[in-house]
Amino acid sequence: EDKVVQSPLSLVVHEGDTVTLNCSYEVTNFRSLLWYKQEKKAPTFLFMLTSSGIEKKSGRLSSILDKKELFSILNITATQTGDSAIYLCAVAPAGYSGQNFVFGPGTRLSVLP
Amino acid sequence: NAGVTQTPKFRVLKTGQSMTLLCAQDMNHEYMYWYRQDPGMGLRLIHYSVGEGTTAKGEVPDGYNVSRLKKQNFLLGLESAAPSQTSVYFCASRSGGAYNEQFFGPGTRLTVL
Repeated sequence: EDKVVQSPLSLVVHEGDTVTLNCSYEVTNFRSLLWYKQEKKAPTFLFMLTSSGIEKKSGRLSSILDKKELFSILNITATQTGDSAIYLCAVAPAGYSGQNFVFGPGTRLSVLP
Repeated sequence: NAGVTQTPKFRVLKTGQSMTLLCAQDMNHEYMYWYRQDPGMGLRLIHYSVGEGTTAKGEVPDGYNVSRLKKQNFLLGLESAAPSQTSVYFCASRSGGAYNEQFFGPGTRLTVL
């Protein structure tokens, strides 16, 4: 059974701190890994990773994938209160033709002023 | 573009009542999904559709039915609501191809008493 695990499940930091969120997976025939940010409502897309070792970056957020060790990390530098959210990791298996993304439970990040 | 919209935003039902949740997308996406989100469990797929007139079961389909009579709409029905169906329901859609992310609606918060 395909599975995605995230750690930590919850994290509290202060503004300016750097955080690393972890996502490990077990899927049959991996195709891609995605990160989403969920504030109060709908998850919004952050990154899609398909190749090992290639960092994706957007402002203070960056992410990298290790397909050998089956994990990804999401880094947020110089955190701000607006980064407070649930961060979801999802994996799309190969042979994917509209089928499910397998989601992890999410990491709830709280950034205190 | 409105993107993905969901109706209603909130609903309270009594056990045994029925209701239909409506999802609409204006992006001409082929694939549509219904998820439920419960605390600590991430997003779990209920049903999905790979095109107009087609539906398939996801991870947690029991107690739900769906229909996709028009490409832009995906309906989720609860025939006889149970307290275990209290959850936040998200609809998502994506275009065809292996490397496209899902776009989510704002969610429907359903409480079954």
